[in-house]
Amino acid sequence: EAQVTQNPRYLITVTGKKLTVTCSQNMNHEYMSWYRQDPGLGLRQIYYSMNVEVTDKGDVPEGYKVSRKEKRNFPLILESPSPNQTSLYFCASSPRTDTYEQYFGPGTRLTVT
Amino acid sequence: DAKTTQPPSMDCAEGRAANLPCNHSTISGNEYVYWYRQIHSQGPQYIIHGLKNNETNEMASLIITEDRKSSTLILPHATLRDTAVYYCIVSARWGKLQFGAGTQVVVTP
Repeated sequence: EAQVTQNPRYLITVTGKKLTVTCSQNMNHEYMSWYRQDPGLGLRQIYYSMNVEVTDKGDVPEGYKVSRKEKRNFPLILESPSPNQTSLYFCASSPRTDTYEQYFGPGTRLTVT
Repeated sequence: DAKTTQPPSMDCAEGRAANLPCNHSTISGNEYVYWYRQIHSQGPQYIIHGLKNNETNEMASLIITEDRKSSTLILPHATLRDTAVYYCIVSARWGKLQFGAGTQVVVTP
């Protein structure tokens, strides 16, 4: 089944403890992206990647890192999480870089205490 | 990117057509209109997109006015599973989607 998967789906952690949220797609998509969703603020893009080893900042990149070493994986790294990074995170992918059709993962609900 | 205006909520009877309006009066010539929906807190789902012509797929139809300043998403036969927040997005920059507040659509039996 064609899909975008994220792990973990739920995570509660403490301030400053490094964590990684994984994202993987099995559709051979070139483009991948991370969003966060907060009440009243909607979905905001964190980082995106046009292809392997090519990444760029979205609208809210502060406090996050990403890497794209393989086409299928696009992990989101929080080196020192803070409570304001408590949010619902979505990974998405697109088959080509010239399409607006993005496939979203199921989401990761992160709580930082 | 052009800003969009959508009603915050609307109700629709099951089996009837749902017509979701979107205003984008500052749209530029190279900007597309596209629609996503989000059911509860699931990942957003792509529905349809268009530039200037009307578009139809298995999920919905998109009607864009001739001046491109507004559009309507039509769900032809709404079901309870269509209850969701629907987002109208206008952008020329592929991949960079800026979601607004959307329209909460509630389909009732």
